[in-house]
Amino acid sequence: AQKITQTQPGMFVQEKEAVTLDCTYDTSDPSYGLFWYKQPSSGEMIFLIYQGSYDQQNATEGRYSLNFQKARKSANLVISASQLGDSAMYFCAMSLTGTYKYIFGTGTRLKVLA
Amino acid sequence: GAVVSQHPSRVICKSGTSVKIECRSLDFQATTMFWYRQFPKQSLMLMATSNEGSKATYEQGVEKDKFLINHASLTLSTLTVTSAHPEDSSFYICSARGDWLQETQYFGPGTRLLVL
Repeated sequence: AQKITQTQPGMFVQEKEAVTLDCTYDTSDPSYGLFWYKQPSSGEMIFLIYQGSYDQQNATEGRYSLNFQKARKSANLVISASQLGDSAMYFCAMSLTGTYKYIFGTGTRLKVLA
Repeated sequence: GAVVSQHPSRVICKSGTSVKIECRSLDFQATTMFWYRQFPKQSLMLMATSNEGSKATYEQGVEKDKFLINHASLTLSTLTVTSAHPEDSSFYICSARGDWLQETQYFGPGTRLLVL
């Protein structure tokens, strides 16, 4: 069965430092997509970054990068130069082939300290 | 691009009434829309998938007669919570994807429903 695991319920990081949020996945499909979303306290889900299973290079979007290690089935999110506004819940998700449905991890709450 | 709106953002209703939530893709045609439910401090739970012009596909355990979904156009899907009860109180959030967006879903801002 397909599954997404986020083992860090909460993380702290000092402002301006980098932080890595862990995500591992399990699937037998060769084709899948991996996503990270940010959910601030307002509740909206903000799309951050996408990695396709066939992509050779790690995805990057501004201060966000995805450390994709296919053999380990991990898709960790790296946020560089953390800002106070990065404090939020972060969800890792995987798309299911052929349906476009997502399965989500349980999330990691990130708190950036001044 | 890829903006999704949701209305209302917050609703309080009495037990037994029905509540309609609208989800609109503002700048793209949404081939598929998804409805999720999120309880406090939990992850998102997919309720149903809707494609324009066809019946919604509900996830296991979701009552289709309780949560009516209509995807009448490529930019609008509605979720109606019928005969709402306090246990239906939750955060409901929709997402949409278009063919040009491939797999990526863009989410609305969510609706907080409180049933008294």
